[in-house]
Amino acid sequence: NAGVMQNPRHLVRRRGQEARLRCSPMKGHSHVYWYRQLPEEGLKFMVYLQKENIIDESGMPKERFSAEFPKEGPSILRIQQVVRGDSAAYFCASSPGLAGPPFYEQYFGPGTRLTVT
Amino acid sequence: AQSVTQLDSQVPVFEEAPVELRCNYSSSVSVYLFWYVQYPNQGLQLLLKYLSGSTLVKGINGFEAEFNKSQTSFHLRKPSVHISDTAEYFCAVRSYSSASKIIFGSGTRLSIRP
Repeated sequence: NAGVMQNPRHLVRRRGQEARLRCSPMKGHSHVYWYRQLPEEGLKFMVYLQKENIIDESGMPKERFSAEFPKEGPSILRIQQVVRGDSAAYFCASSPGLAGPPFYEQYFGPGTRLTVT
Repeated sequence: AQSVTQLDSQVPVFEEAPVELRCNYSSSVSVYLFWYVQYPNQGLQLLLKYLSGSTLVKGINGFEAEFNKSQTSFHLRKPSVHISDTAEYFCAVRSYSSASKIIFGSGTRLSIRP
């Protein structure tokens, strides 16, 4: 059973370009979470999605950032008009079910390291 | 709301010495507690988790952690570290309730000296 897959692993964008980060959850998982890790910091929650629904986007910046998890295909985190401050590692996690008992673990992907030049 | 505090940003330790990485949390609701490890340029790997029951939790690679409800702590320990334990360690919490996000501490960098 393959783990959570993210691509690309490294992405370089110039200021003003768009970045598209993809996450394929583990087989059988229908819940996806995106986290951002700024240099020298811990991970910060961005957004939680189920298939075709955004459940919690309380950690998403108000502008330029969007996320989707379509019925078919991977989840996409899209950053428009990137700025240097967007340089970070973006991690995706997936789980099979909801929060609360019973416990469902989140499995993390290897991350996408975005560098904005 | 929940928050996690890791008091030590860096912990240098000699090989084969014991180590304790400290973690305190605050939450108005019941939470699950976790320790994750991140090796350089890699993703996160779950070391151990506390869901309920025994307050002493054993994880992978010889690590263990003790949940102390009165002190709202979840310190990570290992009796004898190896060079291969060099990594960043993150303490984290997640609410029982409908919010599914994990709240991470800022991390502790463990560096092992030969």
